[in-house]
Amino acid sequence: NAGVTQTPKFQVLKTGQSMTLQCAQDMNHEYMSWYRQDPGMGLRLIHYSVGAGITDQGEVPNGYNVSRSTTEDFPLRLLSAAPSQTSVYFCASRPQTGSYGYTFGSGTRLTVV
Amino acid sequence: GNSVTQMEGPVTLSEEAFLTINCTYTATGYPSLFWYVQYPGEGLQLLLKATKADDKGSNKGFEATYRKETTSFHLEKGSVQVSDSAVYFCALTFQGAQKLVFGQGTRLTINP
Repeated sequence: NAGVTQTPKFQVLKTGQSMTLQCAQDMNHEYMSWYRQDPGMGLRLIHYSVGAGITDQGEVPNGYNVSRSTTEDFPLRLLSAAPSQTSVYFCASRPQTGSYGYTFGSGTRLTVV
Repeated sequence: GNSVTQMEGPVTLSEEAFLTINCTYTATGYPSLFWYVQYPGEGLQLLLKATKADDKGSNKGFEATYRKETTSFHLEKGSVQVSDSAVYFCALTFQGAQKLVFGQGTRLTINP
């Protein structure tokens, strides 16, 4: 099993550029989430989805959009990149029922200059 | 609101030393508690979990006990190895909730 796959692993953007961080999972998990990791702050939830066609905002949604057209994919879009969005981004998924532990991707390190 | 507080890092130990990383939480109700580990350049991996009071989670020699009376979930290992060097995150969630609430992480370095 591939688990949760994130691409790209590294990205450098200029301020104002847009891009999409890709996330795909092959475990048929209903729940998917995007977190950002910043030094000394742990991980903070950006957006999440409980199934195809359903998304909602987390703690820090501003500047990001998501969509969930299939169970497998949950892309994160940066509309107009800002230096404050320099971070490491993690996608995670888990099944709707049973254990509450999330499976995380390996992350995307984004730098906005 | 719900929150998790971990001991400040970084923590540096010698191989075979005893490890404790403190974690306390504030929550309304009875959350499930987790420890995640992040090895250099990788994503987070679930290390262990406990879903109710007095449960003990264990994995790879690590243990943590859900203590409702002290709202704590301290991570322990009797004899650490160099390969345990990583960042450790304590986290909580509630049944049906979409969100994991993380502590700030504790960086652990084990010297040979």
